[in-house]
Amino acid sequence: TQLLEQSPQFLSIQEGENLTVYCNSSSVFSSLQWYRQEPGEGPVLLVTVVTGGEVKKLKRLTFQFGDARKDSSLHITAAQPGDTGLYLCAGDSGGGADGLTFGKGTHLIIQP
Amino acid sequence: DVKVTQSSRYLVKRTGEKVFLECVQDMDHENMFWYRQDPGLGLRLIYFSYDVKMKEKGDIPEGYSVSREKKERFSLILESASTNQTSMYLCASSFVIGGEKLFFGSGTQLSVL
Repeated sequence: TQLLEQSPQFLSIQEGENLTVYCNSSSVFSSLQWYRQEPGEGPVLLVTVVTGGEVKKLKRLTFQFGDARKDSSLHITAAQPGDTGLYLCAGDSGGGADGLTFGKGTHLIIQP
Repeated sequence: DVKVTQSSRYLVKRTGEKVFLECVQDMDHENMFWYRQDPGLGLRLIYFSYDVKMKEKGDIPEGYSVSREKKERFSLILESASTNQTSMYLCASSFVIGGEKLFFGSGTQLSVL
């Protein structure tokens, strides 16, 4: 069974600060996705990274896929209260029928 | 706008009851999934289906069954609900399995008393 470890599990910071969330595995993934889940809602896809070393930016969010495709990070610049939520990474092993392997998530709270 | 609709946001059932959780998607997606989400355990795959009348076990299928009679509808069935099945249940769909975007419903919070 492939595992994805996310850290930190919980993070509470002030508005305007920067933060980084990590997603690590000993396994190689063909692609990795990041989702954000707000209270009372299902997860919503933010980005998919496919190539080792790839960096994608979504406004103040920067996503990076490790060179070996075993890890990823999400960096938020100047965090806003609207960034509050549960951030989930999900890896695709490329095996098809098994679907995605999800990390346990990082609970992020941005205090105004 | 694409949509995955779960029939109930909150359900309260008694131990031993048969429970049906319904999910409908309007995107003509081939694949549909049922996950449960528990604090500290993350999302765990219960069952998935890649075609009408087809089903595959996920990581934690025990105590659950599924039905997919029509492409747009995927039902999760708890044959005899137990307290350890109290959880948030999330339905999702995707066009292809693997690497493709999952569209999630808003979830059903099930409490079994």
